[in-house]
Amino acid sequence: GAGVSQSPSNKVTEKGKDVELRCDPISGHTALYWYRQSLGQGLEFLIYFQGNSAPDKSGLPSDRFSAERTGGSVSTLTIQRTQQEDSAVYLCASSLAIGHSFDQPQHFGDGTRLSIL
Amino acid sequence: QQPVQSPQAVILREGEDAVINCSSSKALYSVHWYRQKHGEAPVFLMILLKGGEQKGHEKISASFNEKKQQSSLYLTASQLSYSGTYFCGTEITPNFGNEKLTFGTGTRLTIIP
Repeated sequence: GAGVSQSPSNKVTEKGKDVELRCDPISGHTALYWYRQSLGQGLEFLIYFQGNSAPDKSGLPSDRFSAERTGGSVSTLTIQRTQQEDSAVYLCASSLAIGHSFDQPQHFGDGTRLSIL
Repeated sequence: QQPVQSPQAVILREGEDAVINCSSSKALYSVHWYRQKHGEAPVFLMILLKGGEQKGHEKISASFNEKKQQSSLYLTASQLSYSGTYFCGTEITPNFGNEKLTFGTGTRLTIIP
């Protein structure tokens, strides 16, 4: 079946602009996760959703970052007034959520490579 | 709270064995292992929950020592396809509303013929 789909795959924008990144999880996966990966670095956890609810938003780097999920499916990560340090690959993952959200394998999308000029 | 992985990088000849370690300063509830090839998305390998259970499939297995707050990934008779960066992700004892998976900085594994 279809995997996690992210769009756009690449985004180049000027500093100060807003960007919106989209994630379409695997059908039936109620848990959805956003990560950020800077060049040559590990995965930085940003936020996760159980259904449409995000229990903890403290992983978001600043108040310029926000995320929402509607209909228990598609999620968008929005970065306002982008800065050069926001340049990274933004990865989305989804999983079944049987009981505790982090007990299940996470299936990653190919990511959105964001470049801020 | 980021787990520490060791070694940072390792080069092996095909058929050799490798061990990758993941250590935490906090009590762990679970450890996840993923492999990421250059330019690709991370791929799930396995999850270990607290209890010291060893899991594995084919020639890749892992252990989780709850007391030592560490996990080890074992790759035996390595194949060229094992090349990539291996990440462990750890979750400390879950507290509803504050769950997160924290990944280490990765171990770059290169298998040469």
